[in-house]
Amino acid sequence: AQTVTQSQPEMSVQEAETVTLSCTYDTSESNYYLFWYKQPPSRQMILVIRQEAYKQQNATENRFSVNFQKAAKSFSLKISDSQLGDTAMYFCAFESSNTGKLIFGQGTTLQVKP
Amino acid sequence: DTAVSQTPKYLVTQMGNDKSIKCEQNLGHDTMYWYKQDSKKFLKIMFSYNNKELIINETVPNRFSPKSPDKAHLNLHINSLELGDSAVYFCASSQATFTGSEQYFGPGTRLTVT
Repeated sequence: AQTVTQSQPEMSVQEAETVTLSCTYDTSESNYYLFWYKQPPSRQMILVIRQEAYKQQNATENRFSVNFQKAAKSFSLKISDSQLGDTAMYFCAFESSNTGKLIFGQGTTLQVKP
Repeated sequence: DTAVSQTPKYLVTQMGNDKSIKCEQNLGHDTMYWYKQDSKKFLKIMFSYNNKELIINETVPNRFSPKSPDKAHLNLHINSLELGDSAVYFCASSQATFTGSEQYFGPGTRLTVT
């Protein structure tokens, strides 16, 4: 069974600085998808970034980028120039192309401090 | 324009009651999902429907029954509510399944069973 592990329950960063959130996953599949979702205090789940496992190039979306290491089964999220609005819980997630199931990690609470 | 809406947003009820949560999406998506987020914020998929057909049915008590009258709606009915059912329930939709499509989440329904 696939699992997703986020080993950092809480992190904090100063505004304008850079922070990296860690995620590892376990699967025997070769084709899958990885995501980072954000859940601010409003409770709304929002997609931050998406990576296809067969693509070697790391995905980027403005200030958000990932470091995808397929062999190591690692998928970390880097947030550059952190803003107060980035304060949220961040979930790493894995989707199997066989089952279509989205499996979430435990989440990392990120606090951006002024 | 709300993409994925859920009603109600809050639901307080007593043990043993039966309740329903409704979900509607106006994105024209083919696939809809129900997730449960527990008190530790852990998110787990419960069900998924593709074009009104059940495709994911996780190990949940059979007191939970999803119903999809059409591909824009997915309702969740819960019989004989128990204290452990207290959680936030999220509905989501995506354009397709098995393809790593972005999932769009509703605002969640906080269910409290007393």
